[in-house]
Amino acid sequence: AQSVTQLDSHVSVSEGTPVLLRCNYSSSYSPSLFWYVQHPNKGLQLLLKYTSAATLVKGINGFEAEFKKSETSFHLTKPSAHMSDAAEYFCVVSWGGRRALTFGSGTRLQVQP
Amino acid sequence: EAQVTQNPRYLITVTGKKLTVTCSQNMNHEYMSWYRQDPGLGLRQIYYSMNVEVTDKGDVPEGYKVSRKEKRNFPLILESPSPNQTSLYFCASSLVPGPIYGYTFGSGTRLTVV
Repeated sequence: AQSVTQLDSHVSVSEGTPVLLRCNYSSSYSPSLFWYVQHPNKGLQLLLKYTSAATLVKGINGFEAEFKKSETSFHLTKPSAHMSDAAEYFCVVSWGGRRALTFGSGTRLQVQP
Repeated sequence: EAQVTQNPRYLITVTGKKLTVTCSQNMNHEYMSWYRQDPGLGLRQIYYSMNVEVTDKGDVPEGYKVSRKEKRNFPLILESPSPNQTSLYFCASSLVPGPIYGYTFGSGTRLTVV
């Protein structure tokens, strides 16, 4: 079965240090990949998406992600964390078709001052 | 403003009392979907709809019903709610399913069944 795995349920970083949120997917062919962010008591906001163009994808708020087919990974990074980045992040995969989206279990990012 | 509107935002109800959570989009999207979010499980799809009068089960459809009589509306119906349906619910829409057009999510409905 197709699945999405976010390798860390919680990540804690200090403000100004790099962020790495890891995501792997299982698939026999290349899917489309997204990262969404959910701030407390808010809905889901699209950070970035990969749709088989450039493998390095730049998103909003300084985030970017690199698609590595050989590793079936789509890790999210940011060079320097800001307090406002504290939120839950979801890696989401679309294999197309009717069911559309499969969500990872989420990574809660904590940013320490 | 292009958006997906869910109502209510918060709801506390008792076991067995039928309820409906509404979802409406103003973007003329064909595809709409309902998800529930539970800690440690991410979002799981309940039902989806490809277009008017076309609906199908997602991963966790038990205990839920949907209808799609108009393109803009996709209500989620709980005929006899139970405590295990306490969750945060999201409605989403897209022009068509698949990656190209992206998805717009509503702000969520937090349901508590006691």
